[in-house]
Amino acid sequence: TQLLEQSPQFLSIQEGENLTVYCNSSSVFSSLQWYRQEPGEGPVLLVTVVTGGEVKKLKRLTFQFGDARKDSSLHITAAQPGDTGLYLCAGVSGTYKYIFGTGTRLKVLA
Amino acid sequence: GAVVSQHPSWVICKSGTSVKIECRSLDFQATTMFWYRQFPKQSLMLMATSNEGSKATYEQGVEKDKFLINHASLTLSTLTVTSAHPEDSSFYICSAIQRSISAGYGYTFGSGTRLTVV
Repeated sequence: TQLLEQSPQFLSIQEGENLTVYCNSSSVFSSLQWYRQEPGEGPVLLVTVVTGGEVKKLKRLTFQFGDARKDSSLHITAAQPGDTGLYLCAGVSGTYKYIFGTGTRLKVLA
Repeated sequence: GAVVSQHPSWVICKSGTSVKIECRSLDFQATTMFWYRQFPKQSLMLMATSNEGSKATYEQGVEKDKFLINHASLTLSTLTVTSAHPEDSSFYICSAIQRSISAGYGYTFGSGTRLTVV
């Protein structure tokens, strides 16, 4: 069974602080994605990483795919209250069935 | 962009009744859709893969007779929770991928359905 473990599970920080969320697995994925979910809504895609070692930036968010394509990280610079939400990584390996990570709940305090 | 509509957004039903949830791809054809279940403050758990014109593929531990999935067209998949019980109360989310797709495209998710069984 493929598992994607995210850490930390919960994170509460002050506005302006930096943070990193990790997504780890023992399995290799052909691609990995990060989503953010607001309460009562479906997840919204933030980014897709495909190549081992790939780094993508989306404004204050930096995503990295591990060289072995087993892990990924999401770094947020100068967090804002609008970044509050549930962050989910999702990996796919061969088929289009995605396995979601355990989730990281982020709360940014003003 | 691709849009997936899920209906209803919330439903309350009595224990023992059945509830149908619809998932529609509005501007693309989806040969494959996925149904997830999400408990409060937890991640998404894949329940089944819905394949247009064929039987759904259920994940281990998911009762296929309780969670009936029908994917009769390229734009519609339905999930019916049969003989619902309070423990079936949850947030159900569908997602779809487009017919021609390469690695690097993400799912498009519906907005979810909150089911409460009383």
